[in-house]
Amino acid sequence: DADVTQTPRNRITKTGKRIMLECSQTKGHDRMYWYRQDPGLGLRLIYYSFDVKDINKGEISDGYSVSRQAQAKFSLSLESAIPNQTALYFCATSDRIPGELFFGEGSRLTVL
Amino acid sequence: EDQVTQSPEALRLQEGESSSLNCSYTVSGLRGLFWYRQDPGKGPEFLFTLYSAGEEKEKERLKATLTKKESFLHITAPKPEDSATYLCAVQAGGAQKLVFGQGTRLTINP
Repeated sequence: DADVTQTPRNRITKTGKRIMLECSQTKGHDRMYWYRQDPGLGLRLIYYSFDVKDINKGEISDGYSVSRQAQAKFSLSLESAIPNQTALYFCATSDRIPGELFFGEGSRLTVL
Repeated sequence: EDQVTQSPEALRLQEGESSSLNCSYTVSGLRGLFWYRQDPGKGPEFLFTLYSAGEEKEKERLKATLTKKESFLHITAPKPEDSATYLCAVQAGGAQKLVFGQGTRLTINP
């Protein structure tokens, strides 16, 4: 089983719908992250959390929210999806070094 | 503004043909530079961390080096299984976030 598991792996939805992407990890890391990857724009940080009571905005948090339900679970929500949120979303974890990330396999979201 | 630029965007080599990928950066106070490999349909996989100019790290056919303005990922005698997109990222100052480059797509032909 993967150390960082994302569900769903693929999702097609319509504008205005609420979407939740879920992430769970077995690495035992406290730090969890949500990134978005777009062609030509690279990976960009949406939100990150250093423990269950700690949530921080990244560089592109508008239109997104997160919930850290447990040390091992971190979910990303799009309250009202719009087409420019079509992208590949990655959950990641790290130990003490923020740059040494362990990524999930990604969730491909298409908003029509 | 912190920036990371990778070149070339794409590189096609023959098996056994060594080459280098470049990652140029402008940041205020480098805390670390990181290399990742990403296969199609997969999440990035961490390869190396470099902290200071002159530092080198090696793993199999890959060697990463760092200067004050750029990092190189040298690939020696590559094999088709080395085909992937290679990403570099920097952590600057007191920031917790990474700034990623756009990646170099490497293809090794048999």
